Amino acid sequence: DTAVSQTPKYLVTQMGNDKSIKCEQNLGHDTMYWYKQDSKKFLKIMFSYNNKELIINETVPNRFSPKSPDKAHLNLHINSLELGDSAVYFCASSQDPRIGTEAFFGQGTRLTVV
Amino acid sequence: GESVGLHLPTLSVQEGDNSIINCAYSNSASDYFIWYKQESGKGPQFIIDIRSNMDKRQGQRVTVLLNKTVKHLSLQIAATQPGDSAVYFCAENYSGGGADGLTFGKGTHLIIQP
Repeated sequence: DTAVSQTPKYLVTQMGNDKSIKCEQNLGHDTMYWYKQDSKKFLKIMFSYNNKELIINETVPNRFSPKSPDKAHLNLHINSLELGDSAVYFCASSQDPRIGTEAFFGQGTRLTVV
Repeated sequence: GESVGLHLPTLSVQEGDNSIINCAYSNSASDYFIWYKQESGKGPQFIIDIRSNMDKRQGQRVTVLLNKTVKHLSLQIAATQPGDSAVYFCAENYSGGGADGLTFGKGTHLIIQP
């Protein structure tokens, strides 16, 4: 069983479109995340979310929004896609970041905006 | 804001040799550190972690060293194998910062020469 799974693995879309990336974890973790990895491999957190709080990295445009239908899912919605949104997006989850625990990552979604 | 960084973007070693990957962090409040391995087309995978009350931790063929005085973290891989070729990231967390996730360094590409 895959611990953190995200779909699709590849997503090619035109500028201006709206798209979603889905993420599910079966680890029973309370906190989930979205990270963006740019062309230089730099990983930057976009959101962290548990059932009590959503923390948004202030550099993330408001075209990006996380949606969590339940504790095991955190989807990423992107409106009005731009060329600069092209990157690999990773979903992750962890047990309790307040005590310091490892995050488990999905396989990534490579988004290409044309 | 404060960030985590790596000294060497690319490291090439001969198969069977030992390798050392270095990382400098600047947030003196960070109390939990992780090394991740990322293979091509995959998400980051946990290798080893260390808390700030320790200065050394060993795993199978890997050792992490933490020097809080100079805010330095290193990953030692013994008897490198072809499968060790990947990008390695250090990441830090400040447990008192709430659920705001891990801060990643820039990554080092480790190449194992046959």
